[in-house]
Amino acid sequence: EAGVAQSPRYKIIEKRQSVAFWCNPISGHATLYWYQQILGQGPKLLIQFQNNGVVDDSQLPKDRFSAERLKGVDSTLKIQPAKLEDSAVYLCASSLGDTIYFGEGSWLTVV
Amino acid sequence: RKEVEQDPGPFNVPEGATVAFNCTYSNSASQSFFWYRQDCRKEPKLLMSVYSSGNEDGRFTAQLNRASQYISLLIRDSKLSDSATYLCVVNQAGTALIFGKGTTLSVSS
Repeated sequence: EAGVAQSPRYKIIEKRQSVAFWCNPISGHATLYWYQQILGQGPKLLIQFQNNGVVDDSQLPKDRFSAERLKGVDSTLKIQPAKLEDSAVYLCASSLGDTIYFGEGSWLTVV
Repeated sequence: RKEVEQDPGPFNVPEGATVAFNCTYSNSASQSFFWYRQDCRKEPKLLMSVYSSGNEDGRFTAQLNRASQYISLLIRDSKLSDSATYLCVVNQAGTALIFGKGTTLSVSS
């Protein structure tokens, strides 16, 4: 079974530039999550989708971050403009029931 | 107070040692509890779920104390391959997982 796919794996951008990350969840998984993991910390939820609807985006910095899941399958997370503190791994995950599966993550460095 | 708190370590132990990790959570409405393992530069992966009755999977034993809002993970006979970060995770029904910062374990020969 194919896992959660993410791209790009690595991205280096300058501050104030924009970046977009793409995620394709495991087939049939209705719930999709974006987590941010800063070095030395645990993953922090940015946004949770159920099909194409947002369940929780309370911790998403909406002035610069946006996410969509238009057709209820794959999703895009965008940051514009990026700040130095956005340097982190952006983990996409999906679930069907209790078990959540993570992708390998997109590593972002803002310089 | 953070929702999930863990001792970050690092825990440095020799092969064969027994090591225990502790975790506390602040939300008494939390319903599901897990331990995830994260290797360096990899994504988190489910190690085991944690049940009130306690559960064991080989060398790993997890315990939950709802009254004290406390979760533990015991690793017996540590192997070099157990070196990783162990994340304590909780959630309520229908919500996303909430992760602790993780506890780093280094097992040496």
